Amino acid sequence: NAGVMQNPRHLVRRRGQEARLRCSPMKGHSHVYWYRQLPEEGLKFMVYLQKENIIDESGMPKERFSAEFPKEGPSILRIQQVVRGDSAAYFCASSPDRGKEQYFGPGTRLTVT
Amino acid sequence: RKEVEQDPGPFNVPEGATVAFNCTYSNSASQSFFWYRQDCRKEPKLLMSVYSSGNEDGRFTAQLNRASQYISLLIRDSKLSDSATYLCVVASYFGNEKLTFGTGTRLTIIP
Repeated sequence: NAGVMQNPRHLVRRRGQEARLRCSPMKGHSHVYWYRQLPEEGLKFMVYLQKENIIDESGMPKERFSAEFPKEGPSILRIQQVVRGDSAAYFCASSPDRGKEQYFGPGTRLTVT
Repeated sequence: RKEVEQDPGPFNVPEGATVAFNCTYSNSASQSFFWYRQDCRKEPKLLMSVYSSGNEDGRFTAQLNRASQYISLLIRDSKLSDSATYLCVVASYFGNEKLTFGTGTRLTIIP
């Protein structure tokens, strides 16, 4: 049973470009969570999605950030017009149901130059 | 005040010693509690859930005190492979599934 998969593992973008981060949950998991870890800081919750629904986006910045989890395919975290402060590790986690343990993917390290 | 507070360390401990980490949380509505470990530049990995009755998994023992809003992790007979950052994590389920992480306690086991 493959774990949570994320790609790309490393992404370099220039200021103003768009970044697209993908997450495929573990088989049988329909709940996806995105977290961000800034350098030397703890992980911070961004958004919680189920298939085709955003359940909780209380941790998402109000502008430039969006997330989706379509009926088919991976969950996508999209950052438009990236700035240097967006440089971080973005982790995706999945769980089989609400309230169950979350398992993390290897993360995408975004560097904005 | 941070929602989850941990001593950042670092803890430098000789191999074979016993080490204990503590954590406090501020949200009394928190429902679930975990310890994760994170190796340098890797993803967090679930170490164990924490229950009010206390639970043990091999060399690891976790305790929860709801009245004091306090969580602990004890590692006995520490191994070199235990070197990592240990993350205290709380969650308020039933409508709020997000995990709230402490900033972690860095542990280095010295040969």
